[in-house]
Amino acid sequence: KQEVTQIPAALSVPEGENLVLNCSFTDSAIYNLQWFRQDPGKGLTSLLLIQSSQREQTSGRLNASLDKSSGRSTLYIAASQPGDSATYLCALPPGALTFGSGTRLQVQP
Amino acid sequence: DAGVIQSPRHEVTEMGQEVTLRCKPISGHDYLFWYRQTMMRGLELLIYFNNNVPIDDSGMPEDRFSAKMPNASFSTLKIQPSEPRDSAVYFCASSLAEDPRDGYTFGSGTRLTVV
Repeated sequence: KQEVTQIPAALSVPEGENLVLNCSFTDSAIYNLQWFRQDPGKGLTSLLLIQSSQREQTSGRLNASLDKSSGRSTLYIAASQPGDSATYLCALPPGALTFGSGTRLQVQP
Repeated sequence: DAGVIQSPRHEVTEMGQEVTLRCKPISGHDYLFWYRQTMMRGLELLIYFNNNVPIDDSGMPEDRFSAKMPNASFSTLKIQPSEPRDSAVYFCASSLAEDPRDGYTFGSGTRLTVV
């Protein structure tokens, strides 16, 4: 059974810092990995999807990497802004997604 | 497409009452998922359907929970009778395939409070 771990559980940084969120998984036989953002009291917004054949995906200030062999993915946020404050979740299929417990990010102005 | 649509957005009910949550997936998506999110347990899969057929319902907590998908554009999650420990946010999601190249799309959720 796939297990997904996210470190750190919470992170507080000053505005402008570059930061890295980590996601590790136990079963490397994955199809893809998806990063989501969840604002307090809101639903999940998809940020990036990395196919198993890819090593990176970029969207604006976000860059997600995937290393299947080591069972790791990282989400890199460049030049963080207060609007980036949210919980970030990684999740893996197939079928039903298995979610990590998330990293709660607070960017201080 | 309007995305995955869930209703109601908020539901407050008394213990023992029946609660029905509704979901309309994205048109053309063959997979539909129901998740529950709590502070203690995070996001948990309850059940998912493929082409309206339940594939895995091992996450359904107990017999008080039931889910149906009578057609490709509608699903319900019913709790009868409801209990305070059922209070959570319930999300519905849909995808084009089991290995969706476009990923999964989530609805905005239904916040259920059982008093």
